[in-house]
Amino acid sequence: AQSVTQPDIHITVSEGASLELRCNYSYGATPYLFWYVQSPGQGLQLLLKYFSGDTLVQGIKGFEAEFKRSQSSFNLRKPSVHWSDAAEYFCAVGDTGGFKTIFGAGTRLFVKA
Amino acid sequence: DAEITQSPRHKITETGRQVTLACHQTWNHNNMFWYRQDLGHGLRLIHYSYGVQDTNKGEVSDGYSVSRSNTEDLPLTLESAASSQTSVYFCASSVDSGGYEQYFGPGTRLTVT
Repeated sequence: AQSVTQPDIHITVSEGASLELRCNYSYGATPYLFWYVQSPGQGLQLLLKYFSGDTLVQGIKGFEAEFKRSQSSFNLRKPSVHWSDAAEYFCAVGDTGGFKTIFGAGTRLFVKA
Repeated sequence: DAEITQSPRHKITETGRQVTLACHQTWNHNNMFWYRQDLGHGLRLIHYSYGVQDTNKGEVSDGYSVSRSNTEDLPLTLESAASSQTSVYFCASSVDSGGYEQYFGPGTRLTVT
């Protein structure tokens, strides 16, 4: 069965510092992978997605993620965090046999001045 | 602009009452989903639909039902509300090709007293 693990429940980084959020997935075939962001009181918004091609994908708001098949990982990165990046981030894997998506439990990002 | 809306945004109800949460999308997407979000659990799929007259159970469907009479709407009904159903509910929709990322509504916060 598909699953997504986000090992860090919360992370605190200083404004201007780099960020990496971890995501590991379990899926038998080549997965569709997503990162979503949720600001307080709002729904989820897609940051980026991967389903084929270049394993380094660029997203909105300066985020990027790298698909590593050998490690079953899809980590999210940003070189310099801004205070407005404070939010909850969800990694997700899509079912290529249908249209469902399995979400990780999320990582809450805190940004300190 | 296309969008997905949910109503009400906040709802307080009593145990045992029937409650219906509305979801309306103007993306003209075939796929629609209902999730609940609880601390430590991420998003869990309640029900989903791949088109008019199609509905399917997700991982936490007990006590919930949906119906799909048109493309735009997927109302979620709690047949007899229980305190365990206090949660934030999100509706989402997606295309059925090209990576099928999901577009989320703003959520409904439901409290069952």
